[in-house]
Amino acid sequence: GESVGLHLPTLSVQEGDNSIINCAYSNSASDYFIWYKQESGKGPQFIIDIRSNMDKRQGQRVTVLLNKTVKHLSLQIAATQPGDSAVYFCAENKGRNKLVFGAGTILRVKS
Amino acid sequence: DAGVIQSPRHEVTEMGQEVTLRCKPISGHNSLFWYRQTMMRGLELLIYFNNNVPIDDSGMPEDRFSAKMPNASFSTLKIQPSEPRDSAVYFCASSLGGLSGNTIYFGEGSWLTVV
Repeated sequence: GESVGLHLPTLSVQEGDNSIINCAYSNSASDYFIWYKQESGKGPQFIIDIRSNMDKRQGQRVTVLLNKTVKHLSLQIAATQPGDSAVYFCAENKGRNKLVFGAGTILRVKS
Repeated sequence: DAGVIQSPRHEVTEMGQEVTLRCKPISGHNSLFWYRQTMMRGLELLIYFNNNVPIDDSGMPEDRFSAKMPNASFSTLKIQPSEPRDSAVYFCASSLGGLSGNTIYFGEGSWLTVV
């Protein structure tokens, strides 16, 4: 039978290039956002977070941008490496500590 | 520093059997979350505890699912009776003080297959 499931967008990048993964969120009242990385067979791993009173936050090789006007979140990875290949999830705190995850984006790094 | 520890890592069980998944949160964390991940629905929050008390269980699918947290270092998620549609990866996660700036750390998951 036909397989039905979430169709995850895929981003393919060349090793060394920068990657930009985008996410749209739904609740304008959400005050906290997190990006997670999930490798095959593992649990989601925290990458970086941002509060709604900020529009940019930088980590090591990663930057998160928040545009509250259009309810958009992005994760930028500098100098993408093969080890960055994974599924990336954005998550928003919708209140009452309910962290809701997006569907995810597959990042494939070509060597 | 030990992370969130889940057991079993993999379980295959027959329909109708009881399944118990276990979780040890990170020491000192007072919030614990159970998530389920499937291809159909992605990552879904099932239940959230704060200081061992269930705060939000609106994500628990039905009465066959129950979760307990008898103390700060242990939680269980039980499915009785199990059904094939319960097949999924079940993640436990913990944080210090819930959200709003407190990172949630995930375990490696319990991979459940109900046949």
